[in-house]
Amino acid sequence: AQSVTQPDIHITVSEGASLELRCNYSYGATPYLFWYVQSPGQGLQLLLKYFSGDTLVQGIKGFEAEFKRSQSSFNLRKPSVHWSDAAEYFCAVVGGGGADGLTFGKGTHLIIQP
Amino acid sequence: GAVVSQHPSRVICKSGTSVKIECRSLDFQATTMFWYRQFPKQSLMLMATSNEGSKATYEQGVEKDKFLINHASLTLSTLTVTSAHPEDSSFYICSAPPSGGARNEQFFGPGTRLTVL
Repeated sequence: AQSVTQPDIHITVSEGASLELRCNYSYGATPYLFWYVQSPGQGLQLLLKYFSGDTLVQGIKGFEAEFKRSQSSFNLRKPSVHWSDAAEYFCAVVGGGGADGLTFGKGTHLIIQP
Repeated sequence: GAVVSQHPSRVICKSGTSVKIECRSLDFQATTMFWYRQFPKQSLMLMATSNEGSKATYEQGVEKDKFLINHASLTLSTLTVTSAHPEDSSFYICSAPPSGGARNEQFFGPGTRLTVL
């Protein structure tokens, strides 16, 4: 069965500083990977996804992520965070189990310091 | 992008009653929809896959007789929590992939907050 690990429950970053959120996955075949953001009281919004091809993917809101097969990682990055980036971030993988629903990591809560 | 709606957004009910939650794809057809549950400060857990015209597929540990799923049309799936109890209180979220394959982007509904007293 597939799994997703987000090792950081909380991360605090100063506004304007760079950000990296970690995600490791376990999946037997080529994974399809996603990063979603969830703001309080709002639904999930897709930031970016990786299916194949270029391992560095660009997303919305200035986010990017790099797929590293050798490390089973799909870390999310942003060069300069804004206060509005404060939210919960989820990494997810699809596949397996016959259901094709997403398997989510536990999430990383991002706090932005002024 | 494609829009998925859920109704109601929030519901409070007494223990023992049943609650129906609707998930609609507003501008696309979805032969498959997914239902997730999210407990406070936790991740989303896949509960079941809703299939238009056939039975839903439930994840291990999810009681199919308690969480009834009906995919009545290509734009509507319903989740009914039967004989709800306080431990069923959670945030229920649905999603749908527009092209019918989960490997494409899934669009998520805004969620339904269920509180069972």
